[in-house]
Amino acid sequence: GAVVSQHPSRVICKSGTSVKIECRSLDFQATTMFWYRQFPKQSLMLMATSNEGSKATYEQGVEKDKFLINHASLTLSTLTVTSAHPEDSSFYICSAIKGFRQGPNTGELFFGEGSRLTVL
Amino acid sequence: KQEVTQIPAALSVPEGENLVLNCSFTDSAIYNLQWFRQDPGKGLTSLLLIQSSQREQTSGRLNASLDKSSGRSTLYIAASQPGDSATYLCAVVPEGFQKLVFGTGTRLLVSP
Repeated sequence: GAVVSQHPSRVICKSGTSVKIECRSLDFQATTMFWYRQFPKQSLMLMATSNEGSKATYEQGVEKDKFLINHASLTLSTLTVTSAHPEDSSFYICSAIKGFRQGPNTGELFFGEGSRLTVL
Repeated sequence: KQEVTQIPAALSVPEGENLVLNCSFTDSAIYNLQWFRQDPGKGLTSLLLIQSSQREQTSGRLNASLDKSSGRSTLYIAASQPGDSATYLCAVVPEGFQKLVFGTGTRLLVSP
């Protein structure tokens, strides 16, 4: 398998501050990464698709100015929660496709360990 | 719009039992289907990936089958162990899209 590392695993911040979460593919290049949000006992909700060197594609209802996504290299994507509020508290998970380039996606998806954000 | 459903939502079995988790999807036009495992408070671990042209995949005690025409996939776990306790998620990549559509998940508890 492939390894996707997510950091930090846990973060607590005050309301109004910004928090950055990193997602790295350690042993493969990922042109596409995905960011998810998960509420307790619920499945994953896709927030945005991050493509290296271009702007992220956000899902309907996700505020792009609040959840800033940057995919500056083939191994790193970052999610910044700006002006965080208690309702932003959640479990955020990233994933990366191994072997995906263009056209149909036949690659396998690998996930990071997730980041638990708590906004006080 | 692709919808993915998993049955049962929760399952509790004694150790050693063979069990089957079900996943159904509404649109048979998929690129692949993937089964994941999620432990509490953790990310997802990929278990098996089945391409749309394949019928099944096996890894150790796990066997996943895919019937595209009927929109179904099953995950078979042989000789279950307490360490298998987790939430199991299936996900499909629809044709023409890059993003997975996740199922609702099955919470499995294997008791010693």
